[in-house]
Amino acid sequence: QVQLVQSGAEVKKPGSSVKVSCKASGGTFSTYAMSWVRQAPGQGLEWMGGIIPLYGTVNYAQKLQGRVTITADESATTAYLELSSLRSEDTAVYYCARGQFDCSRTSCYRDNYFYYMDVWGKGTTVTVSS
Amino acid sequence: EIVMTQSPATLSVSPGERATLSCRASQSVKSDLAWYQQKPGQAPRLLIYGASNRATYIPDRFIGSGSGTEFTLTISSLQSDDFAVYYCLQYNSWPPAYTFGQGTKLEIK
Repeated sequence: QVQLVQSGAEVKKPGSSVKVSCKASGGTFSTYAMSWVRQAPGQGLEWMGGIIPLYGTVNYAQKLQGRVTITADESATTAYLELSSLRSEDTAVYYCARGQFDCSRTSCYRDNYFYYMDVWGKGTTVTVSS
Repeated sequence: EIVMTQSPATLSVSPGERATLSCRASQSVKSDLAWYQQKPGQAPRLLIYGASNRATYIPDRFIGSGSGTEFTLTISSLQSDDFAVYYCLQYNSWPPAYTFGQGTKLEIK
């Protein structure tokens, strides 16, 4: 049974950075994607980006490019999300979620893959306030 | 960016009845579409992937259909546990730039 355990809640000042961790237990860490999704209070879900340890690739949502960094430590089976230049609009619950490759329609390889999120962490609340 | 539009925003249905939720993509996403259920204070739960494949342990009253730009999630014979917010997700864009719909809140009538 795969479980994703996220780090605890954070309170940050505007302009600072935050780093959230997500430790996976069970399953084979490097053969899945790991995505980050956030949800502002009372709002919907927003995909932030994902990392594929198997291919050594990382992709980010365009609106967050330059402020977001996703990394993974395979030996620790842990993924990380770092968000810089925080502003009040970044106040949200941040979820990590395992990405399951969907290769049913086409072959998956380094430059052609598609994945959906199947296992989710419980979320980490990040509050940005002066 | 592929825009996902869900309708209606809120759906009121009585227990035991059928609910039909829609999701439209601004361009074809083939069958690279998933549905999630989210209850207050909880993480989303995967229901459907590949437009029509039920995830593990998901009851067969949840039925996904569609391809291209039009998708539907049908929940037959609603149970009290089914009242929640439902999101669709497209995972077709390359390079990955996945997008969710804004959600449909399914409430008890």
